[in-house]
Amino acid sequence: NAGVTQTPKFQVLKTGQSMTLQCAQDMNHNSMYWYRQDPGMGLRLIYYSASEGTTDKGEVPNGYNVSRLNKREFSLRLESAAPSQTSVYFCASLLKGGNTIYFGEGSWLTVV
Amino acid sequence: GQQVMQIPQYQHVQEGEDFTTYCNSSTTLSNIQWYKQRPGGHPVFLIQLVKSGEVKKQKRLTFQFGEAKKNSSLHITATQTTDVGTYFCAGDGATNKLIFGTGTLLAVQP
Repeated sequence: NAGVTQTPKFQVLKTGQSMTLQCAQDMNHNSMYWYRQDPGMGLRLIYYSASEGTTDKGEVPNGYNVSRLNKREFSLRLESAAPSQTSVYFCASLLKGGNTIYFGEGSWLTVV
Repeated sequence: GQQVMQIPQYQHVQEGEDFTTYCNSSTTLSNIQWYKQRPGGHPVFLIQLVKSGEVKKQKRLTFQFGEAKKNSSLHITATQTTDVGTYFCAGDGATNKLIFGTGTLLAVQP
């Protein structure tokens, strides 16, 4: 049982490049989330998807887009990467009515 | 928008001392959750509190949810080196929109 799987684990991008972070969960969870974590800033919600077919903005959505491809997968796209987007990105999922959020291992992204 | 603040940002204790972190939300929460993140790791769920005034214990950890459901605390009795990490609260004020607090980094000196 893999839980929440994120890819890639590490990525270096040049300013202006685009990339997509992939996330998949095998727990049949309804809700999925993308957070970014910067030193001293805690976890900030970028986008979330309460259920398949819906997405909503979180605290810091600017510069990102998301796609809830199906119930399992929730991807995060950076169309034109900026150095300010250098961060650790975490995907997470939650079963509807549940109380435990499961996090992926994280994706370390550096934009130079 | 909803904001969740934690104090202190950092706490350094001697092994065996107690530790408390406090969490305050700008809005009333439907529930509060607590997570622990080890250095280099990902957040791991510890507990969820739902009821006003609720208190839950996990061995040396005591979690409390305020009467107004806007604040919470985590108390660790007799810290151990294995308690090292960052402790986050997370509040759910709207359906499935989970906002994390700023976190408290706990360092424990043997």
